[in-house]
Amino acid sequence: QVQLVQSGAEVKKPGSSVKVSCKASGGTFNNHVINWVRQAPGQGLEWMGGIIPMLGTPNYAQTFHGRVTIGADESTSTAYMELSSLRDEDTAVYYCVRVESGLGFWFDPWGQGTQVTVSS
Amino acid sequence: DIQMTQSPSSLSASIGDRVTITCRASQSISTYLNWYQQKPGRAPKLLIYAASSLQSGAPSRFSGSGSGADFTLTISNLQPEDFGTYFCQQSHRTPWTFGRGTKVEIK
Repeated sequence: QVQLVQSGAEVKKPGSSVKVSCKASGGTFNNHVINWVRQAPGQGLEWMGGIIPMLGTPNYAQTFHGRVTIGADESTSTAYMELSSLRDEDTAVYYCVRVESGLGFWFDPWGQGTQVTVSS
Repeated sequence: DIQMTQSPSSLSASIGDRVTITCRASQSISTYLNWYQQKPGRAPKLLIYAASSLQSGAPSRFSGSGSGADFTLTISNLQPEDFGTYFCQQSHRTPWTFGRGTKVEIK
């Protein structure tokens, strides 16, 4: 049973960058496809991007294009998401998710979430 | 982008009630529709994938149906632990998008 454990909360200044990590335990890491989803305070869920299964290429939501970098270090079974040029509206809980595929794609499991607060 | 519209945005129901939540896509998405449950302060959990497949470990009182653009999540016998917010999500085309959620409260 794979579990995803994320790094701790961050407080950042506008214009800076944040890097959130997500360590997978259980299973073979390079068989896991990790994507990222965020949730702003009191808001819904927003897919940010990640590797699309079967395509093997990274795909990012246009909202974040150019500001987000998603990658992984297989040697430590850790995925990461780096978001640059932070703005107040990037304050949110960031989740890593494993993408499962079949008749479509779905997210299971989810990491516990990492609170990122952007404030001057 | 494909827009996902959920209704109602919130509901209050009694233990034992049958609860129905609907999700409409702005275009046909076949059966590429998933449902998640989120409790306050927790990460979402997968309930239903591919419109009607129950995720392993999810209670059998949850069921999903629909295809094309209209989908339904049904809780057949509402239990106290079913409070929370339910989200639909499409995976027909990137960017994968979510509905804005339906908050379920127990009367």
